[in-house]
Amino acid sequence: QTVVTQESSFSVSPGGTVTLTCGLSSGSVSTSYSPSWYQQTPGQAPRTLIYSTNTRSSGVPDRFSGSILGNKAALTITGAQADDESDYYCVLYMGSGILVFGGGTKLTVL
Amino acid sequence: EVQLLESGGGLVQPGGSLRLSCAASGFTFSNYAMTWVRQTPGKGLEWVSSISGSGATPYYADSVKGRFTISRDNSKNTLYLQMNSLRTDDTAVYYCAKAFALGCSGGTCRPDYWGQGTLVTVSS
Repeated sequence: QTVVTQESSFSVSPGGTVTLTCGLSSGSVSTSYSPSWYQQTPGQAPRTLIYSTNTRSSGVPDRFSGSILGNKAALTITGAQADDESDYYCVLYMGSGILVFGGGTKLTVL
Repeated sequence: EVQLLESGGGLVQPGGSLRLSCAASGFTFSNYAMTWVRQTPGKGLEWVSSISGSGATPYYADSVKGRFTISRDNSKNTLYLQMNSLRTDDTAVYYCAKAFALGCSGGTCRPDYWGQGTLVTVSS
């Protein structure tokens, strides 16, 4: 069974840049996996940030960007702010209607 | 404005059944696939099931296949998740989500807009 991997935690300084990644336990992530990224703060529902690798959802600031870096999908936050402190999840499309989420990355801004 | 309101969660014993509902508004419901995602308290997100806009094509995670049934009533703008043979590891907050397109090819069943979730607790 394919596992989608994410860093369990990451920290960034205010104003800094951080790149979170989304990989596969076996193989490389490409645009055909249509990676999407979600942000979730405690007690809240997730919010869609990025879909189809690099398209920002409506209302998402342009300091959030998505890409493929090497063999992984990536979410880059440029100019991190305090309210970016959240959990971030990626999801990959595995074919036949199947979606698999990564385990999430807890981002600390300090 | 897209709004999704889940209901039907609660406490149920192992082996029991529960039906979740998700009332949708703010968009043409029949034009979009819909998806259920769950989150165990304090843990990550897990895709559960998706269904095409027509309701003709359902998809399930292996963990729920054969026990859960997704359906929709486009005349009532409502999505359902019938959960049978519930287990303790089904305990989670269940989110309803609007997808990106009518069908699920190419991953378009991934969530776009999310509801606030409903808690299902399976315990004796």
